[in-house]
Order: sequence, then structure tokens, then C-alpha cells
Amino acid sequence: DAKTTQPNSMESNEEEPVHLPCNHSTISGTDYIHWYRQLPSQGPEYVIHGLTSNVNNRMASLAIAEDRKSSTLILHRATLRDAAVYYCILRDVADSWGKLQFGAGTQVVVTP
Amino acid sequence: DTAVSQTPKYLVTQMGNDKSIKCEQNLGHDTMYWYKQDSKKFLKIMFSYNNKELIINETVPNRFSPKSPDKAHLNLHINSLELGDSAVYFCASSLGQGPYFNEQFFGPGTRLTVL
Repeated sequence: DAKTTQPNSMESNEEEPVHLPCNHSTISGTDYIHWYRQLPSQGPEYVIHGLTSNVNNRMASLAIAEDRKSSTLILHRATLRDAAVYYCILRDVADSWGKLQFGAGTQVVVTP
Repeated sequence: DTAVSQTPKYLVTQMGNDKSIKCEQNLGHDTMYWYKQDSKKFLKIMFSYNNKELIINETVPNRFSPKSPDKAHLNLHINSLELGDSAVYFCASSLGQGPYFNEQFFGPGTRLTVL
């Protein structure tokens, strides 16, 4: 499975945007880019996913580089509730087994 | 309405004991998973079941035995507990297996402490 690289931590002020980078230089053409987050003392939760085009949903936006070797998760207005570990995960479209390979993720700290 | 629930939330036990963790999902999903999060916070897949059939077993010691009595339940039984089994165990479910069934829903976790 292709690996991802994320910064260990990022800090943001409340109500400001947060841009979380993820490098995946060995991504294959059939890898989807998924983001999950884990709030303190909770299970992970799905945030967003994409393949080639940028994606938006109610939680976040996902910007994917043209060469797909990197992507950025954008939280448009960080709230205290967004403080969590954010995981960038690649999933091959040929993978029919469904497992998520979590890395260390990025710890996001939001200050009031 | 809890989508994926686990019991118990906390489990403290002695080495050598046998214990079970239960998981139930009310989402009508076909696929269920067990993940383990160790003290360093790394999350790793342990098992996956699809329609009550085992489809992933990630080199987990055979002291761990998942059981799926029906599509809505996936229980984890652990024999002869060891100190290294202390971790948080998460159950998850998804509509199907492949990346097209993209979203996995996780339970709140069960913190297992082996003394």
C-alpha cells in the first residue's frame, strides 16, 4: 500500500481556516485519498475522500494536486470541536477488503 | 440513535483471563471490522467480516477469535489475556467492502487493561 506523510501537529486559531497537507508521492492511479479524524476519546470518523478532482462537503474540502502526489484537507473555519487527529489514508480501488491503513496523523490544536 | 455500539466501554482484567467485547451496528451494513489502537495511538486493522464471513485476518494471534452471529453483530473473544493486549479496541462497519463503499463508521471503543 502506498504511504502518506503528514506533519505531526498543526495549530490554528478558532474561526480561521486550517490547511492540512498530506504527501503521497508513491500514489498509484487507482488509489483513492481518504481523510478520517479522531476526536479525543472517540472512534475515528470519516471526513472526506476523492480521487482526482477537488471535493467539498459539509465538513471540509479536499484539494488534490494535479499530479496527485499531494493533497490538502481544508477546514474552512476551525472550531474547538475540530481539535482532533486527522488521518490521510490511501485506498486502492482494486482493494476489495476494505481495510483502512492508519498512519500517525496530524494532531490539530485549535486555540480560542 | 447509536450507529455502532460496543460493550463494555472499559474492561479491566487479570493476565490469563478470557474476555469478550461485543459490537452491534444498526445501520444495515454488510461489513464489520475490529481495529486495535495501542498506547502509541496507532490504529491497526485486526479482522473484517462481510455477511458473517471472515475476509481479513491481519496476522492476529489465534487467542483472538471474532464471531459474527448475524450481520449486525461482530464480537471479539480474547483467550489467555496478556499485558500486551492492553489497548483500545474499535469496532467499525461499512455498507460494503471496497473503496466504493467508502465510509466506515466506528464505535466509541473499548479500553482493555490487562493487569
